[in-house]
Amino acid sequence: GAGVSQSPSNKVTEKGKDVELRCDPISGHTALYWYRQRLGQGLEFLIYFQGNSAPDKSGLPSDRFSAERTGESVSTLTIQRTQQEDSAVYLCASSLTGQITLSGYTFGSGTRLTVV
Amino acid sequence: GQQLNQSPQSMFIQEGEDVSMNCTSSSIFNTWLWYKQDPGEGPVLLIALYKAGELTSNGRLTAQFGITRKDSFLNISASIPSDVGIYFCAGPFSGSARQLTFGSGTQLTVLP
Repeated sequence: GAGVSQSPSNKVTEKGKDVELRCDPISGHTALYWYRQRLGQGLEFLIYFQGNSAPDKSGLPSDRFSAERTGESVSTLTIQRTQQEDSAVYLCASSLTGQITLSGYTFGSGTRLTVV
Repeated sequence: GQQLNQSPQSMFIQEGEDVSMNCTSSSIFNTWLWYKQDPGEGPVLLIALYKAGELTSNGRLTAQFGITRKDSFLNISASIPSDVGIYFCAGPFSGSARQLTFGSGTQLTVLP
């Protein structure tokens, strides 16, 4: 697609429920990133996928968080047993080669998750 | 760990005024990136800096890569209402050249 597409754009869920967030990167982009943005704060790295390499999961805050990516296409971020502190905007980004020093990332519009 | 300290946290300015914000790092960066985030959208890259001392402009925006490689500045001249948003600095995380570390952002409000 022309840009990074994320769905849903908004999600309200009850505490304890599982949620799945989807990211469709720019076609041909081999690198895909998930970031979390809490209200009034900067972006917090969660996970990085590069081609068929093992993902860098170093930013995932707990084992309730997991993400998958099929090849160089769609990625899903799953949060199990959601807690109120999980409320945030979840941003997905992709880049052509993972050489982020050349052009940075292209971000999607994010999924705003509210846990009530 | 690596941190980016961005200031000011927020700014309220009159339309037409110039704006300046900065970012400092606890460690040396080889690249500085400046992003803008409009409400309800993801951040968009404004300017990229690759060399210490580099000064780069993009329209009314000018950014500089500090000589010490631990800081960067973004200036906006003659602000207009559409400049409203959150401005983030970012740089490659030292533990992984493929991951960006972001500052906490500067919220800019332009008053008519």
